[in-house]
Amino acid sequence: SAVISQKPSRDICQRGTSLTIQCQVDSQVTMMFWYRQQPGQSLTLIATANQGSEATYESGFVIDKFPISRPNLTFSTLTVSNMSPEDSSIYLCSVFTRGLNNEQFFGPGTRLTVL
Amino acid sequence: SQQGEEDPQALSIQEGENATMNCSYKTSINNLQWYRQNSGRGLVHLILIRSNEREKHSGRLRVTLDTSKKSSSLLITASRAADTASYFCALLFQGAQKLVFGQGTRLTINP
Repeated sequence: SAVISQKPSRDICQRGTSLTIQCQVDSQVTMMFWYRQQPGQSLTLIATANQGSEATYESGFVIDKFPISRPNLTFSTLTVSNMSPEDSSIYLCSVFTRGLNNEQFFGPGTRLTVL
Repeated sequence: SQQGEEDPQALSIQEGENATMNCSYKTSINNLQWYRQNSGRGLVHLILIRSNEREKHSGRLRVTLDTSKKSSSLLITASRAADTASYFCALLFQGAQKLVFGQGTRLTINP
Protein backbone atom coordinates (compact mmCIF):
# COMPACT_ATOMS: atom_id res chain seq x y z
CA SER A 1 0.00 0.00 0.00
CA ALA A 2 0.96 3.67 -0.12
CA VAL A 3 0.61 6.29 2.60
CA ILE A 4 -0.52 9.63 1.19
CA SER A 5 -0.75 12.92 3.03
CA GLN A 6 -2.31 16.16 1.89
CA LYS A 7 -2.04 19.74 3.07
CA PRO A 8 -4.12 21.60 3.98
CA SER A 9 -6.84 19.29 5.19
CA ARG A 10 -9.38 22.05 4.76
CA ASP A 11 -9.55 25.72 3.95
CA ILE A 12 -12.05 28.52 3.53
CA CYS A 13 -11.11 30.98 0.82
CA GLN A 14 -12.43 34.15 -0.74
CA ARG A 15 -13.49 34.17 -4.36
CA GLY A 16 -10.85 35.33 -6.77
CA THR A 17 -7.96 33.94 -4.72
CA SER A 18 -5.91 30.79 -5.35
CA LEU A 19 -5.08 27.82 -3.16
CA THR A 20 -2.25 25.33 -3.60
CA ILE A 21 -2.78 21.81 -2.29
CA GLN A 22 0.19 19.60 -1.54
CA CYS A 23 0.32 15.82 -1.84
CA GLN A 24 3.14 13.72 -0.38
CA VAL A 25 3.56 9.96 -0.90
CA ASP A 26 5.75 7.69 1.20
CA SER A 27 7.15 5.88 -1.84
CA GLN A 28 8.19 6.74 -5.36
CA VAL A 29 5.36 6.52 -7.87
CA THR A 30 5.30 7.26 -11.56
CA MET A 31 1.75 8.54 -11.88
CA MET A 32 -0.20 10.69 -9.46
CA PHE A 33 -3.81 11.64 -9.98
CA TRP A 34 -5.87 14.60 -8.82
CA TYR A 35 -9.62 14.19 -8.32
CA ARG A 36 -12.44 16.54 -7.43
CA GLN A 37 -15.50 15.50 -5.47
CA GLN A 38 -18.25 18.07 -5.48
CA PRO A 39 -20.76 18.00 -2.60
CA GLY A 40 -22.82 14.83 -2.66
CA GLN A 41 -21.19 13.64 -5.87
CA SER A 42 -18.75 10.98 -6.97
CA LEU A 43 -15.12 11.53 -7.89
CA THR A 44 -14.11 13.16 -11.14
CA LEU A 45 -10.55 12.96 -12.42
CA ILE A 46 -8.99 16.38 -12.99
CA ALA A 47 -5.59 15.38 -14.33
CA THR A 48 -2.75 12.89 -14.24
CA ALA A 49 0.54 14.28 -12.98
CA ASN A 50 3.64 12.65 -14.44
CA GLN A 51 7.12 13.38 -13.18
CA GLY A 52 9.21 15.14 -15.78
CA SER A 53 6.38 16.05 -18.12
CA GLU A 54 3.30 18.22 -18.20
CA ALA A 55 0.15 16.99 -16.57
CA THR A 56 -2.55 15.43 -18.70
CA TYR A 57 -5.93 17.09 -18.15
CA GLU A 58 -9.34 15.52 -18.53
CA SER A 59 -12.10 17.07 -20.59
CA GLY A 60 -13.51 20.10 -18.84
CA PHE A 61 -10.35 20.90 -16.87
CA VAL A 62 -7.64 23.30 -18.05
CA ILE A 63 -4.13 24.07 -16.92
CA ASP A 64 -4.82 27.77 -16.34
CA LYS A 65 -7.47 26.92 -13.78
CA PHE A 66 -5.75 23.89 -12.20
CA PRO A 67 -1.98 24.17 -12.65
CA ILE A 68 -0.11 21.11 -11.39
CA SER A 69 3.49 20.62 -10.43
CA ARG A 70 5.32 17.30 -10.11
CA PRO A 71 8.90 18.07 -9.11
CA ASN A 72 9.79 14.51 -8.04
CA LEU A 73 8.41 10.99 -7.68
CA THR A 74 6.91 11.52 -4.21
CA PHE A 75 5.34 14.96 -4.38
CA SER A 76 2.80 16.96 -6.36
CA THR A 77 0.80 20.15 -5.99
CA LEU A 78 -2.53 21.21 -7.41
CA THR A 79 -3.48 24.89 -7.50
CA VAL A 80 -7.09 25.99 -7.75
CA SER A 81 -6.87 29.40 -9.37
CA ASN A 82 -9.19 32.38 -9.35
CA MET A 83 -11.64 30.49 -7.20
CA SER A 84 -15.41 30.80 -7.28
CA PRO A 85 -18.03 29.17 -5.02
CA GLU A 86 -18.45 26.45 -7.67
CA ASP A 87 -14.94 25.26 -6.82
CA SER A 88 -16.06 24.27 -3.34
CA SER A 89 -15.23 20.57 -3.28
CA ILE A 90 -13.02 17.94 -1.80
CA TYR A 91 -9.80 17.57 -3.75
CA LEU A 92 -8.01 14.23 -3.50
CA CYS A 93 -4.69 12.99 -4.75
CA SER A 94 -4.17 9.37 -5.58
CA VAL A 95 -1.51 6.90 -6.71
CA PHE A 96 -1.37 3.44 -8.20
CA THR A 97 0.72 0.78 -6.53
CA ARG A 98 3.01 -1.13 -8.80
CA GLY A 99 2.97 -4.84 -9.31
CA LEU A 100 0.27 -7.41 -9.70
CA ASN A 101 -2.57 -5.64 -8.01
CA ASN A 102 -2.59 -2.11 -9.44
CA GLU A 103 -4.59 -0.92 -6.47
CA GLN A 104 -5.20 2.81 -6.31
CA PHE A 105 -4.89 4.59 -2.99
CA PHE A 106 -6.16 8.01 -2.00
CA GLY A 107 -5.04 10.76 0.26
CA PRO A 108 -7.36 12.07 3.00
CA GLY A 109 -8.53 14.93 0.81
CA THR A 110 -8.61 18.71 1.08
CA ARG A 111 -12.02 20.19 1.78
CA LEU A 112 -12.23 23.58 0.10
CA THR A 113 -14.98 26.10 0.72
CA VAL A 114 -15.07 29.24 -1.41
CA LEU A 115 -17.13 32.16 -0.14
CA SER B 1 -19.22 4.63 -22.85
CA GLN B 2 -16.68 4.12 -20.10
CA GLN B 3 -18.53 4.65 -16.88
CA GLY B 4 -19.90 2.68 -13.98
CA GLU B 5 -23.49 2.63 -12.83
CA GLU B 6 -24.27 1.80 -9.24
CA ASP B 7 -27.50 0.79 -7.62
CA PRO B 8 -29.18 1.39 -5.37
CA GLN B 9 -28.29 5.06 -4.87
CA ALA B 10 -29.24 4.72 -1.22
CA LEU B 11 -29.81 1.76 1.06
CA SER B 12 -31.04 1.73 4.65
CA ILE B 13 -31.05 -1.50 6.66
CA GLN B 14 -31.08 -2.70 10.25
CA GLU B 15 -27.90 -3.60 12.05
CA GLY B 16 -27.11 -7.27 11.59
CA GLU B 17 -28.70 -7.51 8.15
CA ASN B 18 -26.74 -7.99 4.96
CA ALA B 19 -26.23 -5.16 2.47
CA THR B 20 -25.77 -5.66 -1.25
CA MET B 21 -24.82 -3.01 -3.76
CA ASN B 22 -24.23 -3.42 -7.45
CA CYS B 23 -22.03 -1.91 -10.13
CA SER B 24 -22.53 -2.34 -13.87
CA TYR B 25 -20.46 -1.21 -16.83
CA LYS B 26 -20.47 -1.39 -20.60
CA THR B 27 -16.94 -2.02 -21.88
CA SER B 28 -14.27 -4.53 -20.89
CA ILE B 29 -12.32 -3.93 -17.73
CA ASN B 30 -8.90 -4.81 -16.40
CA ASN B 31 -10.06 -4.71 -12.80
CA LEU B 32 -12.76 -3.30 -10.55
CA GLN B 33 -12.13 -1.78 -7.14
CA TRP B 34 -14.51 -0.99 -4.29
CA TYR B 35 -14.00 1.92 -1.91
CA ARG B 36 -15.67 3.23 1.22
CA GLN B 37 -15.97 6.89 2.16
CA ASN B 38 -17.15 8.08 5.55
CA SER B 39 -18.81 11.50 5.75
CA GLY B 40 -16.86 13.17 2.95
CA ARG B 41 -13.47 12.02 4.18
CA GLY B 42 -10.80 10.21 2.18
CA LEU B 43 -11.49 6.96 0.37
CA VAL B 44 -10.59 3.64 1.93
CA HIS B 45 -9.66 0.86 -0.50
CA LEU B 46 -11.72 -2.26 0.24
CA ILE B 47 -11.18 -4.87 -2.45
CA LEU B 48 -9.76 -5.19 -5.95
CA ILE B 49 -11.08 -7.93 -8.22
CA ARG B 50 -9.40 -8.66 -11.53
CA SER B 51 -11.26 -9.48 -14.72
CA ASN B 52 -10.23 -13.14 -14.53
CA GLU B 53 -11.55 -13.52 -10.99
CA ARG B 54 -15.13 -14.29 -10.02
CA GLU B 55 -15.21 -13.80 -6.28
CA LYS B 56 -13.09 -12.36 -3.48
CA HIS B 57 -13.54 -12.14 0.24
CA SER B 58 -12.18 -9.83 2.90
CA GLY B 59 -13.60 -10.25 6.36
CA ARG B 60 -17.32 -9.48 6.16
CA LEU B 61 -16.99 -8.28 2.58
CA ARG B 62 -17.66 -10.42 -0.47
CA VAL B 63 -17.23 -9.15 -4.01
CA THR B 64 -18.39 -10.99 -7.10
CA LEU B 65 -17.69 -10.19 -10.72
CA ASP B 66 -19.63 -11.46 -13.72
CA THR B 67 -17.84 -10.29 -16.83
CA SER B 68 -20.49 -11.81 -19.12
CA LYS B 69 -23.09 -9.53 -17.53
CA LYS B 70 -20.56 -6.75 -16.95
CA SER B 71 -21.56 -6.37 -13.35
CA SER B 72 -20.16 -6.66 -9.85
CA SER B 73 -21.71 -6.87 -6.43
CA LEU B 74 -20.41 -5.93 -3.00
CA LEU B 75 -21.99 -7.82 -0.12
CA ILE B 76 -21.49 -6.73 3.48
CA THR B 77 -22.63 -9.39 5.90
CA ALA B 78 -23.77 -8.87 9.49
CA SER B 79 -23.76 -5.10 9.06
CA ARG B 80 -22.71 -2.76 11.86
CA ALA B 81 -23.41 0.89 12.54
CA ALA B 82 -19.80 1.64 11.64
CA ASP B 83 -20.49 0.40 8.09
CA THR B 84 -22.58 3.52 7.48
CA ALA B 85 -20.79 5.23 4.60
CA SER B 86 -20.84 5.77 0.86
CA TYR B 87 -19.51 2.92 -1.24
CA PHE B 88 -18.04 3.46 -4.69
CA CYS B 89 -17.02 1.07 -7.41
CA ALA B 90 -14.16 2.18 -9.61
CA LEU B 91 -13.28 0.60 -12.91
CA LEU B 92 -9.98 0.30 -14.70
CA PHE B 93 -11.00 -0.20 -18.29
CA GLN B 94 -8.80 -2.18 -20.64
CA GLY B 95 -6.19 -0.01 -22.27
CA ALA B 96 -6.74 2.82 -19.77
CA GLN B 97 -4.49 4.07 -16.99
CA LYS B 98 -7.10 5.82 -14.86
CA LEU B 99 -10.01 4.75 -12.70
CA VAL B 100 -13.56 5.73 -13.50
CA PHE B 101 -15.88 5.95 -10.52
CA GLY B 102 -19.51 5.03 -10.20
CA GLN B 103 -21.94 7.41 -8.55
CA GLY B 104 -21.86 5.54 -5.28
CA THR B 105 -24.32 3.91 -2.92
CA ARG B 106 -25.10 5.65 0.36
CA LEU B 107 -25.50 2.95 3.00
CA THR B 108 -27.14 3.65 6.35
CA ILE B 109 -27.13 1.04 9.10
CA ASN B 110 -29.83 1.65 11.68
CA PRO B 111 -29.16 0.46 15.23
